[in-house]
Amino acid sequence: EPEVTQTPSHQVTQMGQEVILRCVPISNHLYFYWYRQILGQKVEFLVSFYNNEISEKSEIFDDQFSVERPDGSNFTLKIRSTKLEDSAMYFCASSTWTGREQYFGPGTRLTVT
Amino acid sequence: AQSVSQHNHHVILSEAASLELGCNYSYGGTVNLFWYVQYPGQHLQLLLKYFSGDPLVKGIKGFEAEFIKSKFSFNLRKPSVQWSDTAEYFCAVNGGSGNTGKLIFGQGTTLQVKP
Repeated sequence: EPEVTQTPSHQVTQMGQEVILRCVPISNHLYFYWYRQILGQKVEFLVSFYNNEISEKSEIFDDQFSVERPDGSNFTLKIRSTKLEDSAMYFCASSTWTGREQYFGPGTRLTVT
Repeated sequence: AQSVSQHNHHVILSEAASLELGCNYSYGGTVNLFWYVQYPGQHLQLLLKYFSGDPLVKGIKGFEAEFIKSKFSFNLRKPSVQWSDTAEYFCAVNGGSGNTGKLIFGQGTTLQVKP
């Protein structure tokens, strides 16, 4: 069964450093998403992406965040200058269409020290 | 504001007990409703979904959920839980006009099933 994959599984970085989280969505999916979950809190939407454009972004997704689909398979989330409060589990998801079920990757645990 | 509320934060049941997890949402327009499960050490997996039609939907592993529009609810049920159902359960919703797929999640319910 096709799966969404994410790398790395765990990333430790120092405050102010740039990080890139990588995702490979399911191959025939067209819509891609990033969510995050701070320990003990809800899963929060960050951004949705379709046709090489951001469809919607949340208030969390400020100028420090960017997304890119650099090739036909990868979908990346970049945080330019990490802050302590960016420490969270980051989930990538994909779907065939908006409103359809989303399939989630295993997540990347980002720890900012 | 769009929101999803799960009433139970932590539920402890014995095997063979019946389960009902509450989920209420506040969302304008047509909604799509989902329950996801996260087993220990694993990623979020879809349990079941509702888009339209029969408000009683069946999912994997014997789970079902009922959409009650008048109550803005989408409660998850299972007649007889097993130890392997120990996991965290998330209710989520998207929809409305101009749906971009953005999912709004509830805070999750941790289910612990005692053997």
